[in-house]
Amino acid sequence: DAGITQSPRHKVTETGTPVTLRCHQTENHRYMYWYRQDPGHGLRLIHYSYGVKDTDKGEVSDGYSVSRSKTEDFLLTLESATSSQTSVYFCASRPGSSYNSPLHFGNGTRLTVT
Amino acid sequence: GDSVTQMEGPVTLSEEAFLTINCTYTATGYPSLFWYVQYPGEGLQLLLKATKADDKGSNKGFEATYRKETTSFHLEKGSVQVSDSAVYFCALSELNTGNQFYFGTGTSLTVIP
Repeated sequence: DAGITQSPRHKVTETGTPVTLRCHQTENHRYMYWYRQDPGHGLRLIHYSYGVKDTDKGEVSDGYSVSRSKTEDFLLTLESATSSQTSVYFCASRPGSSYNSPLHFGNGTRLTVT
Repeated sequence: GDSVTQMEGPVTLSEEAFLTINCTYTATGYPSLFWYVQYPGEGLQLLLKATKADDKGSNKGFEATYRKETTSFHLEKGSVQVSDSAVYFCALSELNTGNQFYFGTGTSLTVIP
C-alpha cells in the first residue's frame, strides 16, 4: 500500500490542551487528507492538502489546523482539545489530482479528550 | 451537493450466505465509485472501484456494478466467509470535486460460522 504511518496510535489528553497528530507517507503522493470517524457519521473531512504549504478546509474544520512543510508529512493540530473531538482520526493520501485515483489510508489515531 | 447513502447495518449472515450491501449516490457530474473495507483496528482499504457507467469492479469475490440509471453501486458476494466480517464503505469522487471523496456511513457485516 501507500506506506502511510500515523503517530501516535492512541492518545489521551485533557480538555484545553493542544494536540498534534502526525501523518507520514513514503509514496511521494501530492494530495493528503485528514478525516475523523465517528459512529453514525462515517468519515468526515477535516482538512486536506494539495501540495507543500497548500491546504484547504473540509466540512468539519473548526477547532483544527494543519501544516504541510514537506511532501511526506501532514500534521493535524487541535488547538485546544474539547470532548467533542474525541474520535478516531485517519490520514489518507492519493497520488494525483485525477478523481479516478483511490485514497490510501493510514491505520488511524484514537484520540480521547477527558 | 454530492452524497452517498448506504443501507443501514449491522448485517449478520451465516457463512456461505449471499451478501448484498446497497449503495446509492447523488452527484452533479460523472463520478468514480469505490468500495472500501475496514477491519477492526485498521484503516480503510480499497476493495474495488468502477470509473464509468456499466463498469463492474471486482476483487476477492466481491463485485459491484456502476448503474447510472439507478445511481447505484451495490456490493455483492456469492458466498461470504468469517474473514469477511468488517465494515464496508461506499464512496464517490468526481471531476467537479476532484479533491474530495464522499463516504457513506458504513455497513457493519458479521459472518457467523
